[in-house]
Amino acid sequence: EADIYQTPRYLVIGTGKKITLECSQTMGHDKMYWYQQDPGMELHLIHYSYGVNSTEKGDLSSESTVSRIRTEHFPLTLESARPSHTSQYLCASRRGTGSADTQYFGPGTRLTVL
Amino acid sequence: AQTVTQSQPEMSVQEAETVTLSCTYDTSESNYYLFWYKQPPSRQMILVIRQEAYKQQNATENRFSVNFQKAAKSFSLKISDSQLGDTAMYFCAFTGAGSYQLTFGKGTKLSVIP
Repeated sequence: EADIYQTPRYLVIGTGKKITLECSQTMGHDKMYWYQQDPGMELHLIHYSYGVNSTEKGDLSSESTVSRIRTEHFPLTLESARPSHTSQYLCASRRGTGSADTQYFGPGTRLTVL
Repeated sequence: AQTVTQSQPEMSVQEAETVTLSCTYDTSESNYYLFWYKQPPSRQMILVIRQEAYKQQNATENRFSVNFQKAAKSFSLKISDSQLGDTAMYFCAFTGAGSYQLTFGKGTKLSVIP
């Protein structure tokens, strides 16, 4: 399996809490992504980064924010969690050399907001 | 904008049989890449197979092969000798040449029955 990690794997929190979902990869990939996926459903891109200090919003509007201070680390933060944020969040990374490159996925964080 | 359509939300196949998953896409680009990703239950998503649009030869990876029909914008995945470990969600994905973002279909849930 790919060297891309996400913590926590499962998180149950109350409404209004601030949370940070961690994502790290040891492959030295420039490009990293966050997707939101409801169980058994399609993936929606919410954030991406093409390098350090570079972040962009994806196709799906999200109240979350991201940062990319180090190549290997791409955390996602929700300042005030709500039940509508309940979902699975997948982190991914790829090399920056070509469009055909494999995109590697982390195991996901399943978030439940009560 | 590109779109990817998977018209079979769920499919099942008997162990050792062959199954074909359908995918169609829409794009105005002439050069692009197509992928099939597999997401097993509670496990990381992984790349199954990729196809470069400028290659006429269909890609093959062991028991997995594709039928790429560029004019029809069709990209189906054939799984031969199905195994229990093939049970998963399968996502078709597209990326244009020069792009580093994947557009995913909604997925097909495949169940391999013993």
